[in-house]
Amino acid sequence: QSALTQPRSVSGSPGQSVTISCTGTSSDVGGYNYVSWYQQHPGKAPKLMIYDVSKRPSGVPDRFSGSKSGNTASLTISGLQAEDEADYYCCSYAGSYNVVFGGGTKLTVL
Amino acid sequence: EVQLVESGGGLVQPGRSLRLSCTASGFTFGDYAMSWVRQAPGKGLEWVGFIRSKAYGGTTEYAASVKGRFTISRDDSKSIAYLQMNSLKTEDTAVYYCTRDLGAAAGIFDYWGQGTLVTVSS
Repeated sequence: QSALTQPRSVSGSPGQSVTISCTGTSSDVGGYNYVSWYQQHPGKAPKLMIYDVSKRPSGVPDRFSGSKSGNTASLTISGLQAEDEADYYCCSYAGSYNVVFGGGTKLTVL
Repeated sequence: EVQLVESGGGLVQPGRSLRLSCTASGFTFGDYAMSWVRQAPGKGLEWVGFIRSKAYGGTTEYAASVKGRFTISRDDSKSIAYLQMNSLKTEDTAVYYCTRDLGAAAGIFDYWGQGTLVTVSS
């Protein structure tokens, strides 16, 4: 199973919005509404930020939102803050009880 | 407070075996599926496999890269999940995370342990 495709890096200034894309196929992202997003700070474990394409777990700020169109899912972070600087990974169900992650995107807050 | 604590990592030679443990607390362990996710040094995340709760048969699913070599099991009486790794390869070198799995292969890992490093090298 191939990894989902994410941009290697994105950047934005405090207060701005950034969007991270996650492109898969009709066998994973496009075929199921089971896309999740994880934030990982250096040396730390990942943290669930979005699941089921657009749902936020309790405690995650509403500045984080998710969406999907066709085979591409997106994570949008509005009102960027310094603490948002981290690596972000998308994840999708890929059928036959298989899960696939994206390669990760490094977000830099300028 | 939900906590997951992995243990058992270390240096192991190619072809040998290692067993990781994940001790859970703060929730009813037996009600949840558990997944293992790994991350090679400087690389991205890779799902390894999961085990369903006993209510769903306690059965397992694995990524193609580890199928036939790795086995996940659970002891609900001790709130521990295990990852038995056999025939280890150098490419299995990674930090291994234990996660609570809300979706049983839907990729919803709502709690993570701190990870344990496995290094496969001669």
